Amino acid sequence: AQSVAQPEDQVNVAEGNPLTVKCTYSVSGNPYLFWYVQYPNRGLQFLLKYITGDNLVKGSYGFEAEFNKSQTSFHLKKPSALVSDSALYFCAVRMRGGGGNKLTFGTGTQLKVEL
Amino acid sequence: EPEVTQTPSHQVTQMGQEVILRCVPISNHLYFYWYRQILGQKVEFLVSFYNNEISEKSEIFDDQFSVERPDGSNFTLKIRSTKLEDSAMYFCASASPRGLANTGELFFGEGSRLTVL
Repeated sequence: AQSVAQPEDQVNVAEGNPLTVKCTYSVSGNPYLFWYVQYPNRGLQFLLKYITGDNLVKGSYGFEAEFNKSQTSFHLKKPSALVSDSALYFCAVRMRGGGGNKLTFGTGTQLKVEL
Repeated sequence: EPEVTQTPSHQVTQMGQEVILRCVPISNHLYFYWYRQILGQKVEFLVSFYNNEISEKSEIFDDQFSVERPDGSNFTLKIRSTKLEDSAMYFCASASPRGLANTGELFFGEGSRLTVL
């Protein structure tokens, strides 16, 4: 079985400060890892993914995430937060190969960036 | 850029009524999915569909739910007799064989909000 944990329901950051949204996962073997963002009353928008290779992946809107295999983590980061980054962020995992094609999502972390 | 489209964007229905949510996946995609998100909660997998049959379903996807690909473009989710607890945002997603093999990425629609009264 695969699972994702996002330990923080909400993260508050001042604009211009760095932000981190935490994610840990549990899956057999090597995973595909994703971050999706959801703005109010909108669908899920793909932000970035880790497939293989470099542990630091860069995505849309200046976001990046670091894959740490020993800690089974995939934290989302941004060096300088913007008010417009305020949204709900979901981490997701999918097994490679067998086990189906479904994504398993975390519970989401509400990011609030304030002036 | 191709996208997944869903209709209706919002539907209000009475408990016990049948509801059909429609999705038009990206045209060259062959894997289709429905997820739901109860207000303020996590996004939950319902069902995946490939080659005109269900490939996987969750425990949420009981006999009240069904999916269909009635033609070459639409992918529908039917709830036979809605319950209050079916109120949620329902997301359709699709993926290409190559996309799944290379990146595992799913493309999501904007969702259909279902309100059961």
